[in-house]
Amino acid sequence: DTAVSQTPKYLVTQMGNDKSIKCEQNLGHDTMYWYKQDSKKFLKIMFSYNNKELIINETVPNRFSPKSPDKAHLNLHINSLELGDSAVYFCASSHGLAGPDTQYFGPGTRLTVL
Amino acid sequence: KQEVTQIPAALSVPEGENLVLNCSFTDSAIYNLQWFRQDPGKGLTSLLLIQSSQREQTSGRLNASLDKSSGRSTLYIAASQPGDSATYLCAVKDEKLTFGTGTRLTIIP
Repeated sequence: DTAVSQTPKYLVTQMGNDKSIKCEQNLGHDTMYWYKQDSKKFLKIMFSYNNKELIINETVPNRFSPKSPDKAHLNLHINSLELGDSAVYFCASSHGLAGPDTQYFGPGTRLTVL
Repeated sequence: KQEVTQIPAALSVPEGENLVLNCSFTDSAIYNLQWFRQDPGKGLTSLLLIQSSQREQTSGRLNASLDKSSGRSTLYIAASQPGDSATYLCAVKDEKLTFGTGTRLTIIP
C-alpha cells in the first residue's frame, strides 16, 4: 500500500490556468506538508498543516492555496499559473509538527507551465 | 535561519570504492538529521535518520554520522555499486525540515 500518494504525477498546462494537485496519506499522521523542488533540484517547504490547520506558510504567493478537507488529505490549488511555477511538488506527512518525527514523502507531481 | 550545504555538488567514483558525502548546517539546535536518496525523475527515499542525541546510524553499506556541535554530518558508502548512482540529500529538522543542495553521485562501472 502506498503511504503517501499524489495525483496527478504529471501536469502540463498553459499560463494563466488554475490547477490542483491532490495528496493523500494512509499513515494516520496528523501533519502534512507541501514542498517545491525547482529546476536546480533545491527542495523547499511551502506549507504545513497540522490537524487541518495551517501552521507554516513560507512566503508562498497567495495564488497557492492549500486545502485540507481532513487529516488524511492536503490538496494544493494554484491560480493563474505562471512559468515560474514549473517545478516538482512533493507532499509529505509526519506524526507531529515539532519534534523528531520522520517525514514520509510522496512520489511528486511534475508541473510544467507553458 | 537554518542553512544546509552539501559538498561536493557532484562526485564520480569507480565501482567498488568507498566514498563520503558531506553535509553542514548553520544552527545546531536540531531534532534530527536525515539522509535521502533521489533517483532522476523520482521521489525521495529515506536512507538514514539520526536523532540529535545519536552520533551515527548504519544500514547495510551506509553509515551516517552526526556532529551536532560542529554542524556536520557525513554519509559513508562502502563498496560502491552502479546502483548507488543518484542524488543524495541531507535535511535537518528544527521547527521545519530544511534540505541541503544535494550531491549528485555517479558510480562508474
